[in-house]
Amino acid sequence: QVQLQESGPGLLKPSETLSLTCTVSGDSVSSATYFWSWIRQPPGKGLEWIAYIHYIGTTNYNSSLKSRVTISLDTSKNQFSLKLTSVIAADTAVYYCARSAFYSYFLDVWGKGTTVTVSS
Amino acid sequence: QSVLTQPPSVSAAPGQKVTISCSGSSSNIGNNYVSWYQQLPGTAPKLLIYDNDKRPSGIPDRFSGSKSGTSATLGITGLQTGDDADYYCVIWDNSLSVWVFGGGTKLTVL
Repeated sequence: QVQLQESGPGLLKPSETLSLTCTVSGDSVSSATYFWSWIRQPPGKGLEWIAYIHYIGTTNYNSSLKSRVTISLDTSKNQFSLKLTSVIAADTAVYYCARSAFYSYFLDVWGKGTTVTVSS
Repeated sequence: QSVLTQPPSVSAAPGQKVTISCSGSSSNIGNNYVSWYQQLPGTAPKLLIYDNDKRPSGIPDRFSGSKSGTSATLGITGLQTGDDADYYCVIWDNSLSVWVFGGGTKLTVL
């Protein structure tokens, strides 16, 4: 059974860089079949897709965050990561990682989420 | 403001039926498959419906999906208190290669 587990710092100060990791078990981030995404949810608000990555190196980003976001894979640890620079209070959210198959149009497996708070 | 428009809230009594709409345009819903997700309080979203009207294994047939033109609908029959949740429609925009989320609908089972 595939499981995704997010990990991150919990609390950051404005202008710092957020680094999150999603550890995948029961599957391989090196699989050609899947894309790996980050999605976030500010408190009391809806879901916002941030970025995705595929093993061959294909990436794409939400245009509203593109200048501050980088997504990457670490195949040796079976993880993928997100970096968000110059964080502000509006980046406070629960961050989820999720999987989708390249031949499909849905996100079939989600992590439980990790809460990130940006506050001075 | 999402390009996929959902009503902020709907409500119905236990045992009743409810529908949740997701309205878009020819460039998003009109040209792409719709999926629906249920988010119970304090938990991660869970896939309910994919490819407009298909249910993953383990999802009861009380949940159904449909699409017509530039709108999609999630239907839930035999409402239970455990259905109290937020529901999101989502598309994979094939032309832009991005995921697009609806704003979400809070279902209250009275």
